[in-house]
Amino acid sequence: DQQVKQNSPSLSVQEGRISILNCDYTNSMFDYFLWYKKYPAEGPTFLISISSIKDKNEDGRFTVFLNKSAKHLSLHIVPSQPGDSAVYFCAASAGANSKLTFGKGITLSVRP
Amino acid sequence: GAVVSQHPSWVICKSGTSVKIECRSLDFQATTMFWYRQFPKQSLMLMATSNEGSKATYEQGVEKDKFLINHASLTLSTLTVTSAHPEDSSFYICSASHSGRALYEQFFGPGTRLTVL
Repeated sequence: DQQVKQNSPSLSVQEGRISILNCDYTNSMFDYFLWYKKYPAEGPTFLISISSIKDKNEDGRFTVFLNKSAKHLSLHIVPSQPGDSAVYFCAASAGANSKLTFGKGITLSVRP
Repeated sequence: GAVVSQHPSWVICKSGTSVKIECRSLDFQATTMFWYRQFPKQSLMLMATSNEGSKATYEQGVEKDKFLINHASLTLSTLTVTSAHPEDSSFYICSASHSGRALYEQFFGPGTRLTVL
C-alpha cells in the first residue's frame, strides 16, 4: 500500500511558465513533508520542506503548499528553467524519529 | 557541508559473488545511516536503517542475511550484497543524518549502480 502517491509520472512545461507537481498521502500521522530533486544516476538533493503546522513554505522559485484536510501537497516552480528538468520526489515523515516514505517521483521536462 | 559519498559508483559482478558498497559522511558525524534501493521509474524503497555500533533494522521483506549492513563508525556504513543474483541488480543509495538531528534531515549519497550478470 503506497502511502505517498505521485500519480502523474511526467510533466512538460515551457520555460518561464509555472510547474506544479502534485503529491497525495494517506497516512494521517505524517507531519513533515519534503521535496527532492534527482538527476539520473545521482542521489536525491533536498529542495524544500514543510511542517504540518504550516500550509505554505517558499524558497526562491520554489513554493510548497500543504492541504492537510485533503492530504495533498504541491510544489510550484516559478519561473521554470531548463535546468529544473529532473525527477522530483515527494517524501513524508511521521515525526523526528521516523523514516522517510517516498513517492514514485515525477519527471519534469522544461522546454526551452 | 553535509556531503555523503558512495563507493563504487557502479559495479558489475557475476551471479553468486558478493559485493560491498561503502557509504561515507565526509564532513559530519552520522549516528544514523539509511540504505535504499531504487528500481527504474520506481520509488526509493528503504531497505534498512543502521545506527553506529548497533545492528541494523531491516524493513519488512528485506533479507538481512543477504544484505549485510555494518555501521562501525560515525562516518562509514557498508552494505554487502551476498551471493548476488540478477534480480539484485538495482540502484542502491545511502543517506545519513547528523547526530542529534531529526531523521528526516537526510543527506543522500550519489548512489551505486549494481549489475549482476
